[in-house]
Amino acid sequence: EVQLVESGGGLVQPGRSLRLSCTASGFTFGDYAMSWVRQAPGKGLEWVGFIRSKAYGGTTEYAASVKGRFTISRDDSKSIAYLQMNSLKTEDTAVYYCTRGPYGDYNRFDYWGQGTLVTVSS
Amino acid sequence: DIQMTQSPSSLSASVGDRVTITCRASQSISSYLNWYQQKPGKAPKLLIYAASSLQSGVPSRFSGSGSGTDFTLTISSLQPEDFATYYCQQSYSTLSYTFGQGTKLEIK
Repeated sequence: EVQLVESGGGLVQPGRSLRLSCTASGFTFGDYAMSWVRQAPGKGLEWVGFIRSKAYGGTTEYAASVKGRFTISRDDSKSIAYLQMNSLKTEDTAVYYCTRGPYGDYNRFDYWGQGTLVTVSS
Repeated sequence: DIQMTQSPSSLSASVGDRVTITCRASQSISSYLNWYQQKPGKAPKLLIYAASSLQSGVPSRFSGSGSGTDFTLTISSLQPEDFATYYCQQSYSTLSYTFGQGTKLEIK
């Protein structure tokens, strides 16, 4: 059974940093790209970014709203994807989900974690 | 960035109704369109990918259609567990996988 479990969320002050983890199980983690998607309280879904598998260079892409502040990395030996968030702003307050994908011919995102809440406030 | 616009933003319907939700892309995205269902306090769940392919385990009352810029999600006969918020997502642009704003489906 595929499982994704996020951790590392919490309350952080504006301007500070936080690192989220996504621990995967039930599939060959290194074969898949992994993404992060966030959802501000009461709002819709916002794609944050993704990291390709090593077979595709392990490169990353980011939404304009987080580019230069957020970094996605992966440790295939531990089956963990990370989201390093620096220079946090109040508008980064959201539930952060990790998801497997983009995957397949049409770039689906087929499994999602339960999410971890990040609150940026002084 | 490719913009995704869903309509309506909210919808009231009854159990057994046939419901259609529309998603429009700001430019052609071929069939690179996914649909998700999200219930309160839960993670999104993939329903449809490639505009019309049913994800494994999803009931057949859900269907998707469209290509280019206009897409629809149809629920043929609403069940109580279908009341949720639905999102479309374009997966054409690898630089930004944008979502629609969501459609909240409520019980009439």
